Amino acid sequence: GQNIDQPTEMTATEGAIVQINCTYQTSGFNGLFWYQQHAGEAPTFLSYNVLDGLEEKGRFSSFLSRSKGYSYLLLKELQMKDSASYLCAALEMEYGNKLVFGAGTILRVKS
Amino acid sequence: EAGVAQSPRYKIIEKRQSVAFWCNPISGHATLYWYQQILGQGPKLLIQFQNNGVVDDSQLPKDRFSAERLKGVDSTLKIQPAKLEDSAVYLCASSSPGTASEQFFGPGTRLTVL
Repeated sequence: GQNIDQPTEMTATEGAIVQINCTYQTSGFNGLFWYQQHAGEAPTFLSYNVLDGLEEKGRFSSFLSRSKGYSYLLLKELQMKDSASYLCAALEMEYGNKLVFGAGTILRVKS
Repeated sequence: EAGVAQSPRYKIIEKRQSVAFWCNPISGHATLYWYQQILGQGPKLLIQFQNNGVVDDSQLPKDRFSAERLKGVDSTLKIQPAKLEDSAVYLCASSSPGTASEQFFGPGTRLTVL
């Protein structure tokens, strides 16, 4: 079956670093996406990992371990505007390209 | 480049009524997706089109939901009749051909069923 787990909520301080973890169990796995979703808005793409290792993109980095079914999103130098929900999504290739989303982690950045 | 367009943005109906949502994907994107996002949950795929053919509709409640993409561009999603549990945001997304292309999401339609 499909199972994507991530923490429900996290709180961090402006300027700090926060790591949001995601574990997954899916069939036909072909990569891991992270999306950011501000309240009342559509999800926007942050990162995609298909190979093991760390991908860095500015203040955001994403890591994948396929053998462990584990990924994390690392946010550095947190800003107030980073307060949002962060969605982990596994790409499945069993029937076309299908994204299976976790419930999202609500990140609250406080000053 | 224009993004994914959806209308209406908000809709309030009573249970047992019908409703339709419209989506116009990014130009050139062959793949179109409809997702249902219930408050506090991640998006759940309802149906995926490749051009005007259905790739995956395994999670579409076919007794009340239908979707079409007749000319391989715009798409409509219909609910008939609506139930209280259909209250959610309906997101349309599109992607260009490729094995792992980024999906671009529209602003969504927030449906409230009373």
